[in-house]
Amino acid sequence: GAGVSQTPSNKVTEKGKYVELRCDPISGHTALYWYRQSLGQGPEFLIYFQGTGAADDSGLPNDRFFAVRPEGSVSTLKIQRTERGDSAVYLCASSSGLGTDTQYFGPGTRLTVL
Amino acid sequence: DAKTTQPPSMDCAEGRAANLPCNHSTISGNEYVYWYRQIHSQGPQYIIHGLKNNETNEMASLIITEDRKSSTLILPHATLRDTAVYYCIVSYSGNTPLVFGKGTRLSVIA
Repeated sequence: GAGVSQTPSNKVTEKGKYVELRCDPISGHTALYWYRQSLGQGPEFLIYFQGTGAADDSGLPNDRFFAVRPEGSVSTLKIQRTERGDSAVYLCASSSGLGTDTQYFGPGTRLTVL
Repeated sequence: DAKTTQPPSMDCAEGRAANLPCNHSTISGNEYVYWYRQIHSQGPQYIIHGLKNNETNEMASLIITEDRKSSTLILPHATLRDTAVYYCIVSYSGNTPLVFGKGTRLSVIA
């Protein structure tokens, strides 16, 4: 079946602009995660949704970052007033939300802030 | 910070077993050991997880020591396509945010 998809695959923007990154989880998965991966590092947690609500947003670096999941399926990560330090690969993962089920990752969106 | 320690890199000859170690000396009683891998320019891929007992699936085997302070991921017959960064993660379940370290970069050599 279809896996986690993310769009766009690449996004180049200028410092100070607003960007939106989209994640389509596996159908039926109630849990959705956003991570950010800088070059040479492992992914870092940003925010976790269970259904429509953000269960844990402790990884968001500052208030320029915001994410929504209004219908409990697709999620959008929004970054305001982008900075060069926001350049990274943004990864989305989903899981069934039950037991010890595993997270399935999308291919990521590579964001470059010039 | 990650609760695991892994060597930064390893090499393995194609067709041989790749044994990737992981130390997790502060693991708590109900934390699982998860392994993911990340092939270049792709998202992480789940491999296997375990609590106490050794586990095997179609991709790999996971050996956890009796004291649970370390584990080894075994790829029985490594191929060039197994070249990737391998992450060992301890977590209460798969449905909590994962804390990744830097992982082990495995290079499978022909």
